[in-house]
Amino acid sequence: EVQLVESGGGLVKPGGSLRLSCAASGFTFSSYSMNWVRQAPGKGLEWISYISKSGSVKDADSVKGRFVISRDNDKNELFLQMNSLRAEDTATYYCVREILVGTPIWAFDIWGQGTMVTVSS
Amino acid sequence: DIQMTQSPSSLSASLGDRVTITCRASQSIDTNLNWYQQKPGKAPELLIYAASTLQTGAPSRFSGSGSGTEFTLTISSLQREDLATYYCQQSYSTLITFGQGTRLDIK
Repeated sequence: EVQLVESGGGLVKPGGSLRLSCAASGFTFSSYSMNWVRQAPGKGLEWISYISKSGSVKDADSVKGRFVISRDNDKNELFLQMNSLRAEDTATYYCVREILVGTPIWAFDIWGQGTMVTVSS
Repeated sequence: DIQMTQSPSSLSASLGDRVTITCRASQSIDTNLNWYQQKPGKAPELLIYAASTLQTGAPSRFSGSGSGTEFTLTISSLQREDLATYYCQQSYSTLITFGQGTRLDIK
């Protein structure tokens, strides 16, 4: 079964750091680009970070310079290092697989169950 | 950034109704438009990609259309299990953006 399982969420104080992990299984992880998408409580979806198969990255302006996406293709894991956390970073964070569905059109076809991050003093 | 605007933000419909949700992009995105369904308490799921192609396993009562800046998601006959929030998403730009969501309730 194709699966993504996030971990590492929790309560952290403003200015603190947290590292999220995502374990992939059931597919060849190294063959896919991956993303992090977050959702604040009661709000919509916000894409925040992308990493290609080979490790090139893109970030949304809202997290640029504070969050770092990375991957370990040998261990089938995706990571999100979150630094200088703010109250507005409070959200459920989803690990998401990206697939090519057209030329060139991409979509997010597999989502993890999410891990909750709360930034509060 | 490309802005995605959905309408309505919420709607209530009866079982068996035909439901249409609209998504507009702030610039042309060709057919680089995907739709996701998020049921209460669950992660989103891909419903339609490339504006009009139904994801494997998605019910055939769902359909998508459009290109350029205007897109629609249609449910031909609303079922109880369609209670969810629906999001459009553009992948034309390297900076991915979602619409704000349309919450669909059953009357």
